[in-house]
Amino acid sequence: DQQVKQNSPSLSVQEGRISILNCDYTNSMFDYFLWYKKYPAEGPTFLISISSIKDKNEDGRFTVFLNKSAKHLSLHIVPSQPGDSAVYFCAASERGSGANNLFFGTGTRLTVIP
Amino acid sequence: EAGVTQSPTHLIKTRGQQATLRCSPISGHTSVYWYQQALGLGLQFLLWYDEGEERNRGNFPPRFSGRQFPNYSSELNVNALELEDSALYLCASSLPGVGRRAQYFGPGTRLTVL
Repeated sequence: DQQVKQNSPSLSVQEGRISILNCDYTNSMFDYFLWYKKYPAEGPTFLISISSIKDKNEDGRFTVFLNKSAKHLSLHIVPSQPGDSAVYFCAASERGSGANNLFFGTGTRLTVIP
Repeated sequence: EAGVTQSPTHLIKTRGQQATLRCSPISGHTSVYWYQQALGLGLQFLLWYDEGEERNRGNFPPRFSGRQFPNYSSELNVNALELEDSALYLCASSLPGVGRRAQYFGPGTRLTVL
């Protein structure tokens, strides 16, 4: 049962425009959410995170929005650059002790067109 | 500062054999996590080690096992290999403590079972 879902396998955006990647989750015990970027033949690279006590976190061109009532989060990249082309994974972890493992979505492949 | 390292990069085994994968965490990180990424799937949590102890385990059979050494490096062992064990195995590390810690990934070991 996939508790973290990324329903768009791919997304293409023009350079300079906004990229919006979406993620939905089903587990109400999730309280920490992360986005990772993955290039071919490399491990995922941590991008940005947000805890459930916030609804927005910003780091440079990357902003993550969390809508707890909808169990939805999104990653905005503005402006998009060709180097942002990669697979983006959404991940979440549960509150409470002994639950450090992350639950990942299946990823969205972002292509930024020059 | 060196990131998470994994060895070997590629590993080819035949059905029924055993595979051993190795991981060295980032300096100062005491937690090590193992994930499996099979073709077309997201990352699936395998194991979490912290301070030499197994803290949590994903939904995998007992033939997936591992250990963490006093220097916090870790091994993942897969016994009685099956064809469906072919996957990218990713190791990640994080700072000590429970919850809300970003995990930093290594480049992975590509295991192929023939």
